[in-house]
Amino acid sequence: NAGVTQTPKFQVLKTGQSMTLQCAQDMNHNSMYWYRQDPGMGLRLIYYSASEGTTDKGEVPNGYNVSRLNKREFSLRLESAAPSQTSVYFCAGGTPAAYQETQYFGPGTRLLVL
Amino acid sequence: AQSVTQLGSHVSVSEGALVLLRCNYSSSVPPYLFWYVQYPNQGLQLLLKYTSAATLVKGINGFEAEFKKSETSFHLTKPSAHMSDAAEYFCAVSKTSGGYQKVTFGTGTKLQVIP
Repeated sequence: NAGVTQTPKFQVLKTGQSMTLQCAQDMNHNSMYWYRQDPGMGLRLIYYSASEGTTDKGEVPNGYNVSRLNKREFSLRLESAAPSQTSVYFCAGGTPAAYQETQYFGPGTRLLVL
Repeated sequence: AQSVTQLGSHVSVSEGALVLLRCNYSSSVPPYLFWYVQYPNQGLQLLLKYTSAATLVKGINGFEAEFKKSETSFHLTKPSAHMSDAAEYFCAVSKTSGGYQKVTFGTGTKLQVIP
């Protein structure tokens, strides 16, 4: 039982390059989330998927797209990376259909855009 | 709108001393509150959560938090700090919104433990 896994762990991109961050969970979560963490700002929600086949924008979606490939996998794509997207990205899964859901986080992807 | 405020971005305590990390929340509905811990270069790990069953919540690693509605607070405490407690701590409030759990995180408090 690996929980929530993310790949890659580290990535360096040049401005304008694209990449996809992968996230997978084996905890049977219905909900999955992508956050970014920046110094002094806590975590901010980029996109979420309340269930397989659905995705919605969070607080800071500009410059990102997501795909909920199946129940286990939720990817985040940067089509044209910008220095402002330098951050640490966390994927999380939430326990299903709970009025008080707990989110479980992956180890993070550290992205540097030059 | 919901929000949390963590007082103090950095807190230093001596090993063996009391740890007190402050969190105040704002929520228009009864809140669901959490504390997470993040060790260097790792993801967030759940320490404890408030479920409304009891105002004093015990978590992992000897931490506990007390929900005080009158003060809109959910402060995190530990009687005796260990070196291994050095990490960043995040308070969070959540509510169900549009079919998903909207979680609002505080900006974090870095705990330094001095030998």
